[in-house]
Amino acid sequence: GAVVSQHPSWVICKSGTSVKIECRSLDFQATTMFWYRQFPKQSLMLMATSNEGSKATYEQGVEKDKFLINHASLTLSTLTVTSAHPEDSSFYICSATQGLGYNEQFFGPGTRLTVL
Amino acid sequence: QKEVEQNSGPLSVPEGAIASLNCTYSDRGSQSFFWYRQYSGKSPELIMFIYSNGDKEDGRFTAQLNKASQYVSLLIRDSQPSDSATYLCAVSPRSNYQLIWGAGTKLIIKP
Repeated sequence: GAVVSQHPSWVICKSGTSVKIECRSLDFQATTMFWYRQFPKQSLMLMATSNEGSKATYEQGVEKDKFLINHASLTLSTLTVTSAHPEDSSFYICSATQGLGYNEQFFGPGTRLTVL
Repeated sequence: QKEVEQNSGPLSVPEGAIASLNCTYSDRGSQSFFWYRQYSGKSPELIMFIYSNGDKEDGRFTAQLNKASQYVSLLIRDSQPSDSATYLCAVSPRSNYQLIWGAGTKLIIKP
């Protein structure tokens, strides 16, 4: 149980294009989903928190117009990196919580984005 | 500022020995405590969580929580080379679903 999928697992794009990453909870309903970014040899950095049907809450310093998050259902959240640039190249990871129990987060496998 | 502190390591442990990983947190109102394992290039994987003072065992893993001293630890018995990874400590504050993350401890198990 508690499986989270992410698609695509890796993507290479040209500078200036937009990239959409999907995060799905496969066997539970995710009241809250989180998007993280991780640069090589660095720790997880929370980008935003999203709840189904409402606007995402972005962490300080994260550009909400550049990183668009949509949480349209209890099993799907998407992150769109708009007008991507090489500095956006990173490992993007989503996680989901059921909002029950003890707030454990279950992670997707991550998406490695490379912007040329 | 709510903080979670971990020694970055690397912590080197011989195969078969006990690996001990420690974490301290600043928010005394924290309610749940998590240990995640992250292999290089992969996403974090939940190992176990604890919410009551004392020990919680799951196979070779034991989580220990001491709320009075505000620390949580993870013991790995009979360490295997496959346990080599970065171990992340995360703490859930009272008020919301976010987790406060430590920077992680890199563990190396030497054959």
